[in-house]
Amino acid sequence: DTGVSQDPRHKITKRGQNVTFRCDPISEHNRLYWYRQTLGQGPEFLTYFQNEAQLEKSRLLSDRFSAERPKGSFSTLEIQRTEQGDSAMYLCASSLDWTVMNTEAFFGQGTRLTVV
Amino acid sequence: AQKITQTQPGMFVQEKEAVTLDCTYDTSDPSYGLFWYKQPSSGEMIFLIYQGSYDQQNATEGRYSLNFQKARKSANLVISASQLGDSAMYFCAMREGGLSGGSNYKLTFGKGTLLTVNP
Repeated sequence: DTGVSQDPRHKITKRGQNVTFRCDPISEHNRLYWYRQTLGQGPEFLTYFQNEAQLEKSRLLSDRFSAERPKGSFSTLEIQRTEQGDSAMYLCASSLDWTVMNTEAFFGQGTRLTVV
Repeated sequence: AQKITQTQPGMFVQEKEAVTLDCTYDTSDPSYGLFWYKQPSSGEMIFLIYQGSYDQQNATEGRYSLNFQKARKSANLVISASQLGDSAMYFCAMREGGLSGGSNYKLTFGKGTLLTVNP
């Protein structure tokens, strides 16, 4: 399978615990994105990497959230001291550079987080 | 103001019929791209079709076509000959070109339309 893969697919955690999600992008893609999708909403942008550099973080990403992309390959998204409001689907996407506007982003199947 | 508006929370269509899903957008950037994605219950966002702001013709991809009306800022998705497997959430999204100061890499999504295809 050469698509974007995310692990785990589902995570249930107690409030206050830390969680970490992993995303493996399509191998030749140098751009990687994280989005969050809550029930009944479309995905909302969280952060963006160009290779290993994190170039933008949304205001949605509080200090409890941290994302990394070491060596410009896979990425991790960590949430510390989880809150019930963090319950959502976390989607990872990757793409080539937008050298042309129609370069689409390819999404993984997401990690569904439930904080109890 | 919402950048992407999808006014139909849910739509029903009979198998083999055509259906139009509405999308309006708001941007001051002259360069932008409009995307439609399908999200089945499995969660993955599947790219369907793209329309660029400078494209003269409406985009088509198999059974999918995009009715692009630039002056009205609308980019409706038309699915012809609906199939049971088309039942899913459909999202309209926009990427702005960055000429007005916004970023040119992130997608802004609407709230989606849940399409149900009846046999």
